[in-house]
Amino acid sequence: DTEVTQTPKHLVMGMTNKKSLKCEQHMGHRAMYWYKQKAKKPPELMFVYSYEKLSINESVPSRFSPECPNSSLLNLHLHALQPEDSALYLCASSQEAGFGNSPLHFGNGTRLTVT
Amino acid sequence: AQSVAQPEDQVNVAEGNPLTVKCTYSVSGNPYLFWYVQYPNRGLQFLLKYITGDNLVKGSYGFEAEFNKSQTSFHLKKPSALVSDSALYFCAVRDKAAGNKLTFGGGTRVLVKP
Repeated sequence: DTEVTQTPKHLVMGMTNKKSLKCEQHMGHRAMYWYKQKAKKPPELMFVYSYEKLSINESVPSRFSPECPNSSLLNLHLHALQPEDSALYLCASSQEAGFGNSPLHFGNGTRLTVT
Repeated sequence: AQSVAQPEDQVNVAEGNPLTVKCTYSVSGNPYLFWYVQYPNRGLQFLLKYITGDNLVKGSYGFEAEFNKSQTSFHLKKPSALVSDSALYFCAVRDKAAGNKLTFGGGTRVLVKP
């Protein structure tokens, strides 16, 4: 079982909807990440939070809005998405702030379908 | 810029036979290297990492990897594959000179046949 919990597991939303993805970890990790993964492709980095502050935004469109309410929680707010945004969204955490040499621990993801 | 190549899209192996998944990398500094495995409808699971020291790294589920600096390779190996090892495997590299960002290879699908 993964130590990073993501909800919901599946989400179907229309292009005008507003929804949020949630991620939680209780390992005391100080860095948290959002990745987007298309089928049979490697994950693509979207955002990195270090000590609850946004440290990396990989030029992600503003229809994706991250939020880190505290050191254990990470949200991704979605608004006015496009069908091409359909993908598996993965949350991850690591012990060190930023990347360092500690591995990332991934959740099982949210499978998002935009109709 | 750092990069990772996994030259094989798919590797087929019979159960009980040795398994090798290839990975080569390119970095400007000293690399941190990782292997992850992804089962269907799951996130990525960490298998092992090379930071420094012994070139042979042992990881989870009987996997190991050998760091070869001269060939800039970090191939994943398992002496005797199981059907349950069938999954998608990603090699990844992190380089301090590149801001410590993690770069993934394209992935290799492993199919172990009974």
